[in-house]
Amino acid sequence: AQKITQTQPGMFVQEKEAVTLDCTYDTSDQSYGLFWYKQPSSGEMIFLIYQGSYDEQNATEGRYSLNFQKARKSANLVISASQLGDSAMYFCAMREGQRNTPLVFGKGTRLSVIA
Amino acid sequence: DTGVSQDPRHKITKRGQNVTFRCDPISEHNRLYWYRQTLGQGPEFLTYFQNEAQLEKSRLLSDRFSAERPKGSFSTLEIQRTEQGDSAMYLCASSSPYQGGSPLHFGNGTRLTVT
Repeated sequence: AQKITQTQPGMFVQEKEAVTLDCTYDTSDQSYGLFWYKQPSSGEMIFLIYQGSYDEQNATEGRYSLNFQKARKSANLVISASQLGDSAMYFCAMREGQRNTPLVFGKGTRLSVIA
Repeated sequence: DTGVSQDPRHKITKRGQNVTFRCDPISEHNRLYWYRQTLGQGPEFLTYFQNEAQLEKSRLLSDRFSAERPKGSFSTLEIQRTEQGDSAMYLCASSSPYQGGSPLHFGNGTRLTVT
């Protein structure tokens, strides 16, 4: 079974609007972490935001926020005030357990920001 | 912090040849990971190290693949008798020795094309 599911292969958003990228996960661990990465066309993987399973508040980093709904096992990324430079692939990933075990990635969502 | 460095950036080889890639992690990071990414997919875990110890290998890592991190610093990934299906981006990442919230910091990858 897929550990990370990203159901939106592609999304379009108007510049300056907000957009939500969906991510659901599957784990039986009580302790886990959820990560979002951005991959522009140049190829580098850029870390955006992290949410721990025990964190009671949703994580925020600048224009990025993570809508964490534990009971639904979802960890959606919200990008506010979209910019043209936000056009990229976005990957949701999960680490199970508390140690620095490898991340498991979803298949990604391609976001296109339209002027 | 000079970031994760990978060499070469691109490699074109003929089927059946051996290739070796190098990764230099962020200096204070003790964990080093190798991932493979094909077009339109998320990164797939191959193997990872804590210092010089190889802790886990994915089933994706066939006998033709071998990775080393001899002194706990840089790492090499060797593919013997390359096949066309090995064509992909090979990503290296490192992480700090702290708790599970430490993100992976990725290099720019080595793009392998097997002709």
